[in-house]
Amino acid sequence: AIRMTQSPSSLSASTGDRVTITCRASQGISSYLAWYQQKPGKAPKLLIYAASTLQSGVPSRFSGSGSGTDFTLTISCLQSEDFATYYCQQYYSYPPWTFGQGTKVEIK
Amino acid sequence: EVQLVESGGGLVQPGRSLRLSCTASGFTFGDYAMSWVRQAPGKGLEWVGFIRSKAYGGTTEYAASVKGRFTISRDDSKSIAYLQMNSLKTEDTAVYYCTRTYGDYEYYFDYWGQGTLVTVSS
Repeated sequence: AIRMTQSPSSLSASTGDRVTITCRASQGISSYLAWYQQKPGKAPKLLIYAASTLQSGVPSRFSGSGSGTDFTLTISCLQSEDFATYYCQQYYSYPPWTFGQGTKVEIK
Repeated sequence: EVQLVESGGGLVQPGRSLRLSCTASGFTFGDYAMSWVRQAPGKGLEWVGFIRSKAYGGTTEYAASVKGRFTISRDDSKSIAYLQMNSLKTEDTAVYYCTRTYGDYEYYFDYWGQGTLVTVSS
């Protein structure tokens, strides 16, 4: 199974900050990577697929990049509603589909 | 609007069975693969199982942790996906999410239900 490793596991940031989360795959996954946002007590929500394609309705302050083994999710100007946990997930090789362990974005 | 509503969760003793349902609306259910993903309390996301659309054979895949115990099925006439869980273990305690699974060969989870909590405890 492909292992997905996110860093950091958590971070503290202020509204207006630029935030970057990294996801590394244990082997190459081309661009078959998705990012999800999960708020407490809620279901995950798809933000980005194909490493850099924004899901419909997702604000443009979210962006994704990378291919192969190294990927990033960037929030260009953090808003209050962006405080949440973010997960990356590979869909290059399955089963199993595998997720990163999550990155919790907290208010500084 | 795509909606997925899970039901059937609850408290069950170890070794017993439970069946979850996922009722879909807002899209042509039969055209899509469906998956189940779970989240243990305070933990991350774990993929559980997957069923292809009938157009791609309707075949299933399972995580190693549930293979042989869990079975996914679908009723396209009712727009419902099922997760039959047998021989439940305490480590199966989690919120179970139903997801619409987008793609033809490279699949990702584009819509999620609100989840249903399964607690396995004596």
